[in-house]
Amino acid sequence: EVQLQESGPGLVKPSQSLSLTCSVTGYSITSNYWGWIRKFPGNKMEWMGYISYSGSTSYNPSLKSRISITRDTSKNQFFLQLNSVTTEDTATYYCARWAKGFDYWGQGVMVTVSS
Amino acid sequence: NIVLTQSPATLSVTPGESVSLSCRASQSISTSIHWYQQKSNESPRLLIKYASQSISGIPSRFSGSGSGTDFTLSINRVESEDFSIYYCQQSYSSLLTFGSGTKLEIK
Repeated sequence: EVQLQESGPGLVKPSQSLSLTCSVTGYSITSNYWGWIRKFPGNKMEWMGYISYSGSTSYNPSLKSRISITRDTSKNQFFLQLNSVTTEDTATYYCARWAKGFDYWGQGVMVTVSS
Repeated sequence: NIVLTQSPATLSVTPGESVSLSCRASQSISTSIHWYQQKSNESPRLLIKYASQSISGIPSRFSGSGSGTDFTLSINRVESEDFSIYYCQQSYSSLLTFGSGTKLEIK
């Protein structure tokens, strides 16, 4: 069974970088696309970007200057880095597999940006 | 950006009723719409892909329809476990976007 699990700090200070890991089991990240999605307080959902089976990336233009998605195929993990965070980046962050729909999701990690 | 407008924002129903949730796109997106259910404190779950294609393991009371700009998620005879938030999401554009959600609550 495909399983995804996010990990990373739950509290980040303003202006610092947010770094999250998505660990995937039951499926290789060298197939399909692997994305990051966040849900803000108030329920708005935002697609942040993805990394493909080949390692190419695509980002939401609203984040393009601050976001980086990378991977380690040997560990079957992919990563999110979001730079220069503000309180507006406070959200629950999910990783998910894209296969004609986001069909598998991690449990989500709540990240608060606060000093 | 393709904007998805979901209506109503909140829908109050009695278990056993059948409901229709709407998602309208700001431009034609063919059938590139997907529907998700998110229960409180859980991750979203894919219900329907490409407007009307069923997903393995999803109860048959969930169905989708529409093309172009207007899409509908229908739930036949709502059950207690269905009370949650429903989102639509488009993949027509390389910039994926979600609707703002419809909360289905118990009347």
